[in-house]
Amino acid sequence: GQQVMQIPQYQHVQEGEDFTTYCNSSTTLSNIQWYKQRPGGHPVFLIQLVKSGEVKKQKRLTFQFGEAKKNSSLHITATQTTDVGTYFCALRGGATNKLIFGTGTLLAVQP
Amino acid sequence: DSGVTQTPKHLITATGQRVTLRCSPRSGDLSVYWYQQSLDQGLQFLIQYYNGEERAKGNILERFSAQQFPDLHSELNLSSLELGDSALYFCASSVGAGEAYNEQFFGPGTRLTVL
Repeated sequence: GQQVMQIPQYQHVQEGEDFTTYCNSSTTLSNIQWYKQRPGGHPVFLIQLVKSGEVKKQKRLTFQFGEAKKNSSLHITATQTTDVGTYFCALRGGATNKLIFGTGTLLAVQP
Repeated sequence: DSGVTQTPKHLITATGQRVTLRCSPRSGDLSVYWYQQSLDQGLQFLIQYYNGEERAKGNILERFSAQQFPDLHSELNLSSLELGDSALYFCASSVGAGEAYNEQFFGPGTRLTVL
């Protein structure tokens, strides 16, 4: 079945530094979603990308879908302590809407 | 607060036992999904129900079963529990079944510890 790999597994930054996590697939993806899970919390939907080369912004967060639709990235500008958590990419599996999650990137932000 | 509720929050039980996890979806959502989150397996889809019927199955063990009731709440039954079943179990809900994109809203999870 389809799988997505995320890198890095863990990143520790100083507050104010930028952060990027990457999601890669060996097959073409029809869509990619991004979720954030705070420590001790549950996954919360951030965004969905469907078009080749799509770029979407949410305040300090920038999401990109690769031209070949095999990779995606999430970039956070000037991290804040509130950005701490695990960021997951996920694909929607066909017509059932089930989600296939990537391995996640744990972001730690030092004040 | 996502509007999805799960009970209990924590469950501690012994190997070989059986437990039931409960989920109430957001008002108006017809689809319920169950996911398992563990350190070694990550976040994995188990099963989906839509309006009372099974819609999709993922990596769900035969010892596990689920159902969705007429009032749309769902239960996940885990039997003959093993140490490796210790995990966080999330329920999520969405409006539709998947014909078009539907955002999923996750509940707070049930942490299961098998001793």
